[in-house]
Amino acid sequence: SQQGEEDPQALSIQEGENATMNCSYKTSINNLQWYRQNSGRGLVHLILIRSNEREKHSGRLRVTLDTSKKSSSLLITASRAADTASYFCATDLTTDSWGKLQFGAGTQVVVTP
Amino acid sequence: DAGVTQSPTHLIKTRGQQVTLRCSPKSGHDTVSWYQQALGQGPQFIFQYYEEEERQRGNFPDRFSGHQFPNYSSELNVNALLLGDSALYLCASSPGENQPQHFGDGTRLSIL
Repeated sequence: SQQGEEDPQALSIQEGENATMNCSYKTSINNLQWYRQNSGRGLVHLILIRSNEREKHSGRLRVTLDTSKKSSSLLITASRAADTASYFCATDLTTDSWGKLQFGAGTQVVVTP
Repeated sequence: DAGVTQSPTHLIKTRGQQVTLRCSPKSGHDTVSWYQQALGQGPQFIFQYYEEEERQRGNFPDRFSGHQFPNYSSELNVNALLLGDSALYLCASSPGENQPQHFGDGTRLSIL
């Protein structure tokens, strides 16, 4: 079974709008990472948030983490057509098994001009 | 500064054959992980190599094996290929614990 589950599965917005996607997970984590993937190419790392952090920003991206609810959210502000991609959350579990990322099925985001 | 590089980009094999995929990690990274991504799904962890040893393994059969060389580059070998092995194989490297993983563009493996 998958550790991370993204919601929604698909999202269609217009340029300039904000896009929010959520990730829920089941067990305690060391950190949670968000990745972007364009058309079946490699994954691009966006943000890593550690279990003792609650919020991180990177440019137009904002990630929150609520360990009590075992959930995270990724917000893309002022979206652009170039943001069209699949977005994945990945959890890195306990210290002993670090690096064994567990991915959800992803959120497919389409940004129309 | 070169990122993670994988070769080949595409590969077509037939059932029962064997395949070797190659990965060079990002400079300064000593840990390499391999993932399998079927169409429309998220990547699934295959195994991770550190100091030339398999450090941990996902839920994949023994047909999947790997190796890490002293220069940290890595190979993924798959024997007795099945149709279900058709997927994008991704290599990722990292400099250690609690650090982001950097992915290559993958090898698209098609089994006929």
